[in-house]
Amino acid sequence: GENVEQHPSTLSVQEGDSAVIKCTYSDSASNYFPWYKQELGKGPQLIIDIRSNVGEKKDQRIAVTLNKTAKHFSLHITETQPEDSAVYFCAAVPGDSSYKLIFGSGTRLLVRP
Amino acid sequence: KAGVTQTPRYLIKTRGQQVTLSCSPISGHRSVSWYQQTPGQGLQFLFEYFSETQRNKGNFPGRFSGRQFSNSRSEMNVSTLELGDSALYLCASSLGTRNTGELFFGEGSRLTVL
Repeated sequence: GENVEQHPSTLSVQEGDSAVIKCTYSDSASNYFPWYKQELGKGPQLIIDIRSNVGEKKDQRIAVTLNKTAKHFSLHITETQPEDSAVYFCAAVPGDSSYKLIFGSGTRLLVRP
Repeated sequence: KAGVTQTPRYLIKTRGQQVTLSCSPISGHRSVSWYQQTPGQGLQFLFEYFSETQRNKGNFPGRFSGRQFSNSRSEMNVSTLELGDSALYLCASSLGTRNTGELFFGEGSRLTVL
């Protein structure tokens, strides 16, 4: 079945710097890759997603890139702010199902003021 | 529009007991998914329901079950609780049509098994 690996597990950056989180997946038939942000005491919230027919997608300070050949995708956050501090999860929808997400293990991002 | 509502938010049970968790999806959403979140295993898919039918199930023992009602509200049940069942149980709703993907999560029900 699908397996998603995420790195790094923790990331500390200075406010204003960029942060990059990377994920790899195993199922070449996976076709949808969302990123979720989870703040303390809350459920995960979708922040950006990308489909397998697109190589890059941007939304203000966040962007996601997808390399289907290498089976990896990355989240880029520019001009980080303290409110970006949270746990970020990547996920993939396996090719055999559009109704479940396989999540990476999460990255705890700390933005130092 | 109201988000996904999960009840109860916190509960404590002892080994061997059973527990029922409830989830009310966003109005108009017909799909409800359940995920277990633990520090060791992360977020793991339990099952997904659409129009009262289970469409997908994760790799959990039969002690974990769920159902969906005609108004799309869902419940999950865990019988014969074990210490390892302590976790945050997250419910997510979506439109449920193929390839839409976006899930809206509730804040979860935190279960502690003593």
